[in-house]
Amino acid sequence: KAGVTQTPRYLIKTRGQQVTLSCSPISGHRSVSWYQQTPGQGLQFLFEYFSETQRNKGNFPGRFSGRQFSNSRSEMNVSTLELGDSALYLCASNLDGLGTEAFFGQGTRLTVV
Amino acid sequence: AQKVTQAQTEISVVEKEDVTLDCVYETRDTTYYLFWYKQPPSGELVFLIRRNSFDEQNEISGRYSWNFQKSTSSFNFTITASQVVDSAVYFCALSHHNFNKFYFGSGTKLNVKP
Repeated sequence: KAGVTQTPRYLIKTRGQQVTLSCSPISGHRSVSWYQQTPGQGLQFLFEYFSETQRNKGNFPGRFSGRQFSNSRSEMNVSTLELGDSALYLCASNLDGLGTEAFFGQGTRLTVV
Repeated sequence: AQKVTQAQTEISVVEKEDVTLDCVYETRDTTYYLFWYKQPPSGELVFLIRRNSFDEQNEISGRYSWNFQKSTSSFNFTITASQVVDSAVYFCALSHHNFNKFYFGSGTKLNVKP
């Protein structure tokens, strides 16, 4: 059974640009959540999608957005990139969206220069 | 408010030593889940265990064991006879039982030296 796939693995962007990250969850999983990991702030929740609906959103500015498609694949978008957006972005796949174990992808390492 | 505290930032042990990673949590929920994840240098968070708030039975899996105590809001993780491959950052996490939203501790970096 394939795991969680995140693409791309690495990205380098310039301040002011926008970026789209992709996550394909485990087959049959309906919930996808996103996390930002930085050395200073640790792992922080961005948002969660379940059956194409955003159910929860973390404390991030509106520049961070996401969506989920009917096949459960998810994308997150960051517009007007800032240096502080440099981080590892992790996607987590969960079967039923009920807070049980989530399985993570290897992440997308975003560097903003 | 939900909060997870891992007071140990970094621990170094010599191979074959036992090591315990501490985790203390705060929540007002009566039903919740607790987790441990391992993050090797590759970056992926690897699921190790989940405990339900109503199940305080301790668990052992090979060299790994977990001690859950609601009275002290703690969920500690012990590695017996540590190995170099155990070197990683370990995260304790808490979730509400209805949402796929995790609150992570700051992580404990474990260095196991040969």
